[in-house]
Amino acid sequence: EIVLTQSPGTLSLSPGERATLSCRASQSVSSSYLAWYQQKPGQAPRLLIYGASSRATGIPDRFSGSGSGTDFTLTISRLEPEDFAVYYCQQYGSSLRTFGQGTKVEIK
Amino acid sequence: EVQLVESGGGLVQPGGSLRLSCAASGFTFSSYEMNWVRQAPGKGLEWVSYISSSGSTIYYADSVKGRFTISRDNAKNSLYLQMNSLRAEDTAVYYCARDHLLRAFDIWGQGTMVTVSS
Repeated sequence: EIVLTQSPGTLSLSPGERATLSCRASQSVSSSYLAWYQQKPGQAPRLLIYGASSRATGIPDRFSGSGSGTDFTLTISRLEPEDFAVYYCQQYGSSLRTFGQGTKVEIK
Repeated sequence: EVQLVESGGGLVQPGGSLRLSCAASGFTFSSYEMNWVRQAPGKGLEWVSYISSSGSTIYYADSVKGRFTISRDNAKNSLYLQMNSLRAEDTAVYYCARDHLLRAFDIWGQGTMVTVSS
């Protein structure tokens, strides 16, 4: 089973700042099968990025994904008030899917 | 509007059973692969199970294999999760989620809470 480790656990930033979230895999992940989600309290997760770098429908272009192999990054170019939330990466491999443990982006 | 609505959650004793349902609308349910994903209180997301569009291919996470059964009824636009031999660690919000072309989850329901406790 591929284990995804996200860092940092918590990111304290101010609106307008840039956020860089990391997702590291225990073995190589196909870029086609790496996704990122946003979850706000009391809500279901929302797909942000699929295929490592493609934005899902309706996702603002301040969200971008990059990476390959075992290292992937979600970048939020300028944090808006609604972006403070928990972010998860997720991979698919060998018919199974796993999530990272999440990164909380909080207001500084 | 594309929508998934879960139901069937509740309080059950350890060792008990529960059946969750997920009603789909706004898209051609029979064309999509589906999943169940859960989230324990205050914890992260955990994928539980996958079913192909026809129901012929099924996968489970090791944590539920042999205890949970995923199924679907395309005529009723519904997805199910039969949960047997429930344990305290199965306590979570259970989400049904539609499978994206590239194995992400693009549509999620609002979730249904399952509590396993005596």
